[in-house]
Amino acid sequence: QVQLVESGGGVVQPGRSLRLSCAASGFTFSRYAMHWVRQAPGKGLEWVAVISGDGLNKYYADSVKGRFTIARDNSKNTLYLQMDSLRVEDKAVFYCVRWVGDYPDSWGQGTLVTVSS
Amino acid sequence: DIQLTQSPSFLSASVGDRVTITCRASQGISSYLAWYQQKPGRAPKLLIYAASTLQSGVPSRFSGSGSGTEFTLTISSLQPEDFATYYCQQVNTYPLTFGGGTKVEIK
Repeated sequence: QVQLVESGGGVVQPGRSLRLSCAASGFTFSRYAMHWVRQAPGKGLEWVAVISGDGLNKYYADSVKGRFTIARDNSKNTLYLQMDSLRVEDKAVFYCVRWVGDYPDSWGQGTLVTVSS
Repeated sequence: DIQLTQSPSFLSASVGDRVTITCRASQGISSYLAWYQQKPGRAPKLLIYAASTLQSGVPSRFSGSGSGTEFTLTISSLQPEDFATYYCQQVNTYPLTFGGGTKVEIK
């Protein structure tokens, strides 16, 4: 069955960097676009970024453009989110999401990122 | 960017009630809209996609309608397990955007 397991979250100071990973299993990873979606504590959902199955096409939310980079390694069945210049307002649970066609069908359990001095 | 406005942001209802949540888009998105249910501490669950198509395994008391800029999610008879927060999301244009959410609580 489809499994998405995020890791890499933790506490980081403002201005520093963090890289999230999402290990995928149970499906042919390279065939699917993958997204990151985040949720600040007690707040709503915010779409963050998407990468196509071949890794060639990427889009970002305005709030992270220029600071976050989405990437994938299809040989390792792993999705990444490199987060640079982190801000206090980036504190959130980050979910890795598999997309099928135009819609998501599988979510990871999420990993918490806390940005605090 | 396309803005999605959900209303109400909070509603109190009883088991058995018919509940309707509205999502309005700032510009036309055809039928490229999804609805999600989220319970505390859990990842969102897809209920409806393409505005009105029920995701496999989702009870038939959930339904979606609309196109263009106005959409609705209806729960025909609210069940105890339906008390949660509901979100709409447009997938017509990047950046993808979510509505602000509707929290459904027990009256």
